[in-house]
Parts: sequence; structure tokens; C-alpha cells
Amino acid sequence: SQQGEEDPQALSIQEGENATMNCSYKTSINNLQWYRQNSGRGLVHLILIRSNEREKHSGRLRVTLDTSKKSSSLLITASRAADTASYFCATAQAQGAQKLVFGQGTRLTINP
Amino acid sequence: GAGVSQSPSNKVTEKGKDVELRCDPISGHTALYWYRQSLGQGLEFLIYFQGNSAPDKSGLPSDRFSAERTGGSVSTLTIQRTQQEDSAVYLCASSLVGSAGEQFFGPGTRLTVL
Repeated sequence: SQQGEEDPQALSIQEGENATMNCSYKTSINNLQWYRQNSGRGLVHLILIRSNEREKHSGRLRVTLDTSKKSSSLLITASRAADTASYFCATAQAQGAQKLVFGQGTRLTINP
Repeated sequence: GAGVSQSPSNKVTEKGKDVELRCDPISGHTALYWYRQSLGQGLEFLIYFQGNSAPDKSGLPSDRFSAERTGGSVSTLTIQRTQQEDSAVYLCASSLVGSAGEQFFGPGTRLTVL
């Protein structure tokens, strides 16, 4: 079963607007990662935030992590049509397993 | 350098047949993972290999699924007596060490069981 839940399941905005996606998880984590997937195939790593970090930036991406609420958000600023994709959060658990546990994803559509 | 490659990219098979899916990880990556993604869903962990350690098979859905990794490099995921519910995209990923850091994904194999 999937640990993460993402919200919203689908998001459609106009080019230039900001897009915010949220992720919640259930267990203690080592880190949380965001991935992007185009056309239902391979995933591309976007950003990793460790459990002792609260915010991280990479280009037009901003990720926040609230371990007390077990939640994270991904903000894409000044969206472009090329940002259209599915976005997944994935958690690496604090103990033991090295696998990533993925959420269900948010389908983002940027309208030109 | 080359990324993670998977073959075949698409596989159509009949119910009850066996299939083999192949993954070539990035050279030097010691950790290798298999995931399954059903239509419109997130990724489901299947199995994890790290160096010479015993693999973590905790995600394999049934004993029809098995995987091996030869020589610490190429991996093969085998599904015996395929069922229609096995239809999915099977994704392989590798990473430098099994430290739960960034994983590099292949393009996946889309399996369709008729």
C-alpha cells in the first residue's frame, strides 16, 4: 500500500501561474523526495529534502517539509507548458528499508 | 554517460505465459530497485538489491514474481504464469549506494497480459 497521499490529484493552471502540490505521509522518514514523470514512463528526480530541513529551493522549485504534520509541499513558480507532467512525492523511511514509498501523484496541466 | 536502460520497452503476452524483463543500471551503481506502476497509480515497490547483500523481496506480490541480479549489474525480473492483473509498467531504478538518496529511473517496460 502507498504511504503518501497527494493533493490535489489533478491541477490545471495557466502558464505563468504558480502551482502548489501537497503530500502527506504516515511514518517517520529519513528524507522526502519529489519526482516528475512524463507520459507514464521514467521518473526524473527533482529535489530531496532531509527530515531536519524545513525548506529547500532549486531553480523555480520550492519544497517545504513539516515533520510535525507529516506533510510536504512542492511549489513551481512561473509555470511553463513544459512543466505539464505527473509529480510524485516519495519518502525514505527512517529505519531499515531503503526503498522509496511513493504517493499517488498529482497530474499537473499547464495551459498555454 | 548512459542512464538506466530497460528492455523490452513493451511486452504483450498471453495469460499463463512467463515473461522476463531486463534492467541495465548505471555503471557503478550498487543499489538496484524494481517498482510496478499500474495505470494512473503511484509506484509500488517490488524488490531491492544492494551489493552482495540478500535482496529485500518484501514487495513482491506473489511467488510468481522473482528477480535476480547477476554480477552486481544487470537484473532480470521474471513473472511466471502471468495474469491480467500483472499488466502494468515495470520500472527499474539504480542509485550509488543504498542510502535512500536520489534514484535514477529507466524508461520502464509496459507489460500487457491479454
